[in-house]
Amino acid sequence: GAVVSQHPSWVICKSGTSVKIECRSLDFQATTMFWYRQFPKQSLMLMATSNEGSKATYEQGVEKDKFLINHASLTLSTLTVTSAHPEDSSFYICSSRRGLNTEAFFGQGTRLTVV
Amino acid sequence: AQKVTQAQTEISVVEKEDVTLDCVYETRDTTYYLFWYKQPPSGELVFLIRRNSFDEQNEISGRYSWNFQKSTSSFNFTITASQVVDSAVYFCALGYGGSEKLVFGKGTKLTVNP
Repeated sequence: GAVVSQHPSWVICKSGTSVKIECRSLDFQATTMFWYRQFPKQSLMLMATSNEGSKATYEQGVEKDKFLINHASLTLSTLTVTSAHPEDSSFYICSSRRGLNTEAFFGQGTRLTVV
Repeated sequence: AQKVTQAQTEISVVEKEDVTLDCVYETRDTTYYLFWYKQPPSGELVFLIRRNSFDEQNEISGRYSWNFQKSTSSFNFTITASQVVDSAVYFCALGYGGSEKLVFGKGTKLTVNP
């Protein structure tokens, strides 16, 4: 079964509103989680690394004020897309690992559509 | 810089055919990890295999097999006797520098026709 759960699976929101996406590790503690973005028919691009109890690390070109990440517990990381615009419409997917040097498990992904 | 190249954008085969998906990577690290993931239309990424840079043994898991060649920086994936359920986008990925981050290839869309 899934070890990383993501919610919601899909969301439609109006332009200018904010949307929160949750990523949970189900049976292990994750000090680090990763957020990826995937445009249609494109590859996954790492957006940021979510660190429990500290600030997230963002990849170059990713606006930290637009994509707010909170990792308040060892099993939950949230990504909030603030003041969403149509160009933010994408597939967002999180991942985590049970421990170092193990495979990354991915959540089910969230398809965001901003209208 | 780290890079993963999947030159095949789309492949279409008929059921029961064998198919090989190519993956070429670039990294200057001596320690790294290679992965294959399957992404069905539902979107979820399904882990298939992880291989570290010091283990060049080929691996077989049922109808799936992987060929890791450090000399050519390739990590190819073969599906034997393909089935319609194998239809998906397959991603090759590189984990490097002791980091848990992954660099993905652009993916290969495999369509298996009945």
